[in-house]
Amino acid sequence: AQSVSQHNHHVILSEAASLELGCNYSYGGTVNLFWYVQYPGQHLQLLLKYFSGDPLVKGIKGFEAEFIKSKFSFNLRKPSVQWSDTAEYFCGGAGGSYIPTFGRGTSLIVHP
Amino acid sequence: EADIYQTPRYLVIGTGKKITLECSQTMGHDKMYWYQQDPGMELHLIHYSYGVNSTEKGDLSSESTVSRIRTEHFPLTLESARPSHTSQYLCASSGGISGGRVDTTYFGEGSWLTVV
Repeated sequence: AQSVSQHNHHVILSEAASLELGCNYSYGGTVNLFWYVQYPGQHLQLLLKYFSGDPLVKGIKGFEAEFIKSKFSFNLRKPSVQWSDTAEYFCGGAGGSYIPTFGRGTSLIVHP
Repeated sequence: EADIYQTPRYLVIGTGKKITLECSQTMGHDKMYWYQQDPGMELHLIHYSYGVNSTEKGDLSSESTVSRIRTEHFPLTLESARPSHTSQYLCASSGGISGGRVDTTYFGEGSWLTVV
């Protein structure tokens, strides 16, 4: 069965620190990968997604993710976080069934 | 902004009551999904639909049922609620698949259900 796993469940950073959240997927073949963010009290919204092409994907709000096929990874990065990045981040994927599944999520707290 | 709506947003009901969580989208999407999420835990897929009259069970076993009579509407029903059903329920929808690429999935704001 396809699955996505996130390594960091709770991350605490100070403003201007760099961020990297790990995500691994466990299926082969067709791969659709994405990162979603959920700000407090709001619905999940798409940060970025990857299907093919350039493995470095740029998203909204300065986020990017790199698809590394050999490592089955799709880590999310941001060079300098802001207090407003405090949120829950979910890595997800859709394999051959095209049904989106998600990891456990990472709670990010950014201290001003 | 996503045009997908869930009602109620928050609900507290007694054990044994029947409850229907409503979900509607105005984007004309064929695919719709229900996820269950406990605080700090992953989203578990409990039901999905490929279109009208299509419903399938997801990865997580659930005592709830769904229906898809209209494209825009995908309600979830619990016939007899129990405290173990206390959770957040997220409805989502997405468009088609083109050349293997999955369209963006849009989420509603969620329905928080507490069964006492």
